[in-house]
Amino acid sequence: GESVGLHLPTLSVQEGDNSIINCAYSNSASDYFIWYKQESGKGPQFIIDIRSNMDKRQGQRVTVLLNKTVKHLSLQIAATQPGDSAVYFCAESNAGGTSYGKLTFGQGTILTVHP
Amino acid sequence: NAGVMQNPRHLVRRRGQEARLRCSPMKGHSHVYWYRQLPEEGLKFMVYLQKENIIDESGMPKERFSAEFPKEGPSILRIQQVVRGDSAAYFCASSLGGGREPQHFGDGTRLSIL
Repeated sequence: GESVGLHLPTLSVQEGDNSIINCAYSNSASDYFIWYKQESGKGPQFIIDIRSNMDKRQGQRVTVLLNKTVKHLSLQIAATQPGDSAVYFCAESNAGGTSYGKLTFGQGTILTVHP
Repeated sequence: NAGVMQNPRHLVRRRGQEARLRCSPMKGHSHVYWYRQLPEEGLKFMVYLQKENIIDESGMPKERFSAEFPKEGPSILRIQQVVRGDSAAYFCASSLGGGREPQHFGDGTRLSIL
């Protein structure tokens, strides 16, 4: 069945370090991917997205890498700050298919940034 | 710019009662999605709606759950005859278009069933 999962459920880093959060997906038909940040008591906050015709996309302090060969997605956060502490979810969809509105979420990675 | 607005933020119901959750999408967005999140888990898709139409309800239980997005007013997720297992956080998202458009989420409604 379709699933999106994460290799590491928790990640602890020091302030100023770079963070890498990984995600594996199993649906080879997935063509659109999003990373979300969720803080306690709040809804998921959009960070960055990438389409399957790309393998890298950069935002402000964040980079998403997509490796379709091994069905792997990663989020890199540069110069991690305490405010980056949250749960991070990857989500995927088969946007070009019949389930184009449906996001499938992974279980999440807890990122803790120590001052 | 107002984001996705959900109300109430917290809702307590007794078993057998009805729960109504409301969602106003971001301005200009006509695509609305509902997700459910259990503690320590990711979000699970329930339903995708456009104005007055249900596009995909494959994640919604067949019994007791319904959703609508009328021409005027917010989207409503309705749960009839609630049971303890319905306790969860319910999130609404909206997007400008379908497909490869990012979905933006509200802060959810936390439903507790006594």
